[in-house]
Amino acid sequence: GIQVEQSPPDLILQEGANSTLRCNFSDSVNNLQWFHQNPWGQLINLFYIPSGTKQNGRLSATTVATERYSLLYISSSQTTDSGVYFCAVASDSWGKLQFGAGTQVVVTP
Amino acid sequence: EPEVTQTPSHQVTQMGQEVILRCVPISNHLYFYWYRQILGQKVEFLVSFYNNEISEKSEIFDDQFSVERPDGSNFTLKIRSTKLEDSAMYFCASTPDEKLFFGSGTQLSVL
Repeated sequence: GIQVEQSPPDLILQEGANSTLRCNFSDSVNNLQWFHQNPWGQLINLFYIPSGTKQNGRLSATTVATERYSLLYISSSQTTDSGVYFCAVASDSWGKLQFGAGTQVVVTP
Repeated sequence: EPEVTQTPSHQVTQMGQEVILRCVPISNHLYFYWYRQILGQKVEFLVSFYNNEISEKSEIFDDQFSVERPDGSNFTLKIRSTKLEDSAMYFCASTPDEKLFFGSGTQLSVL
């Protein structure tokens, strides 16, 4: 199956800081999504982004499919951004998503 | 905003007992999934379901597991004889196209 590696594994930020999370994958994909797992365990879909760039408020994401990586940018971080950010990929649009191990983000006041 | 709902939020069971985890996917969605997450680990795919049949399943989804869509709204995961290693958070998900929407999960504890 497709291997998904996320970095860094852990990130501690001061409120207001910016950060970049990375997701590398081992094979071509037709489906890539970013999720935020909040401290209560809920998985929130942030982006469906198999290629290109998208923005949603303070979050944006870029996927360079030809180079097999995706980046998630958090700007002006807030304490509510804390949690685990997962990248998940699939080789086809409706296939099983393969999740990475996640990046644990802690935003301190 | 429509959401995927799961019940119960917590389930405690004895090893060897059967459990049924319930999900109501978003009403116009066509693809349904079960994933699980063992504490501190990554989210793992179990099974996908489309057009009233399983479309794909993982190695984890052995004969102890089954899924069913008994009516037009519910989607269930049954574990026939639970084992200690089945303890995990079980997530139901649905999608109308590619973007996946997860429920809030059922925390299953097998004692």
